[in-house]
Amino acid sequence: EIVLTQSPGTLSLSPGERATLSCRASQSISSRYLAWYQQKPGQAPRLLIYIASNRATGIPDRFTGSGSGTDFTLSISRLEPEDSAVYYCQHYGSSPFMYTFGQGTKLEIK
Amino acid sequence: QLQLQESGPGLVKPSETLSLTCTVSGGSLSGAVYNWDWIRQPPGKGLEWIGSVYYSGTTYYNPSLKGRLSISIDTSKNQFSLRLHFVTAADTAVYYCARGQNLAFDYWGQGILATVSS
Repeated sequence: EIVLTQSPGTLSLSPGERATLSCRASQSISSRYLAWYQQKPGQAPRLLIYIASNRATGIPDRFTGSGSGTDFTLSISRLEPEDSAVYYCQHYGSSPFMYTFGQGTKLEIK
Repeated sequence: QLQLQESGPGLVKPSETLSLTCTVSGGSLSGAVYNWDWIRQPPGKGLEWIGSVYYSGTTYYNPSLKGRLSISIDTSKNQFSLRLHFVTAADTAVYYCARGQNLAFDYWGQGILATVSS
């Protein structure tokens, strides 16, 4: 089973800055199987990135996914206060069929 | 616009069965490209995938829950359901239903809190 470890646990930045969130897999994975989500308090997660680097419908180009092998990154440029949320990476595995999530990174915009 | 809505009891007694239903509107459950999933989130914690069902009825379960879990689909009602048996306090969580496509979850329900308590 693949384990996803996200870092940092909490990231505090200012509006206009750039955020870099990391997701490390316990073994090499295909970038096809990596996605990112944003979750605000009291809301369901929202898909941001799928297949490592494809933005979901309606997601602004300030959000960029990249990476390969065991190291994947979600970058958010020109931070806005509304970007404050917890961000999760997610992996799909076929053997066994299973989806796993990282533990999340809390992004605070102050 | 596709919408998913969870329904079911908010309180379940320990050792009993948690039953939840997800009703899909604005689209059909049919289609081989989609899987229909349950995901949960204990209060203040992260996300845990529970299981998937396809329109054909094929299911996949999280191994950690496999012995207690049943997921089914009713395409005539545009619904899919979860039954989790022998629940304990550790099963207290917000339960989400979601649509899977391209190995990710692109539509989610708003979630329903299920509390296990006597």
